[in-house]
Amino acid sequence: AQSVTQLGSHVSVSEGALVLLRCNYSSSVPPYLFWYVQYPNQGLQLLLKYTTGATLVKGINGFEAEFKKSETSFHLTKPSAHMSDAAEYFCAVGDSGNTPLVFGKGTRLSVIA
Amino acid sequence: DAGVIQSPRHEVTEMGQEVTLRCKPISGHNSLFWYRQTMMRGLELLIYFNNNVPIDDSGMPEDRFSAKMPNASFSTLKIQPSEPRDSAVYFCASSGDFNIQPQHFGDGTRLSIL
Repeated sequence: AQSVTQLGSHVSVSEGALVLLRCNYSSSVPPYLFWYVQYPNQGLQLLLKYTTGATLVKGINGFEAEFKKSETSFHLTKPSAHMSDAAEYFCAVGDSGNTPLVFGKGTRLSVIA
Repeated sequence: DAGVIQSPRHEVTEMGQEVTLRCKPISGHNSLFWYRQTMMRGLELLIYFNNNVPIDDSGMPEDRFSAKMPNASFSTLKIQPSEPRDSAVYFCASSGDFNIQPQHFGDGTRLSIL
C-alpha cells in the first residue's frame, strides 16, 4: 500500500524567499503524485501532478515539483514566496492498485512580510 | 464547467438531530469520495464510490454515519443521530478514476453540532 510523509507540519518563510515543502512517498509500483493547496474556508485545489514523462512538473501560481525516484521524493518549490501563498499544502500519491489516492497530513505555509 | 457542488455550506443543529449533506460530482466522473477534516485528525477518507457502488467504507466512524449514491450525479452523507464530536468540515470530491486521476474537491460543508 502506498503512503505519504510530509516533513514539517508548519513552514514559515519570508516574503520573496524560496519555498520548499517536502514530500516523501512509498509505493510498490510507479506512483502518480499530486500537490494540492487549501486556502481558508475552501476545498483542496490541484496545484500540479506527475504521472509519467518529465520529472520536473510545473503547476499554477509559480510552483513546481520534481519527481526523484531514487529518493522517493516529490518536493514542492517556488523561487519567491508571496503573501498570497500562505495556505495548507497536501501531497498525495496514487498508483494502479486497488486503493484511492493517499493524502499526507499537510504542511501549513506561513509567509512573513 | 461546474465543479463539485456541496450543500449546505454551513449547518448548525442540535445533538440528536439527523443531518444530511449533499454532493453533486463533476459530470463524467465515476468516482466519488467523502472526507472529514478536523484540526485534531486532519483529512480523513470516510467512504468512496466507484460507478455509484460503495467500494470502501472502512473510514466511516460509526453506524450513525451512512452514505448513498443513487445515481451518477448525486450523493448524500447522513448522520443520525448527530453528536457534538461530529462537528467538522465535510468534503466531497470526485475523480475520473479512483486511483490515478486527481480528485476535485467541493468547498465543503461546515457542520456544527450543539
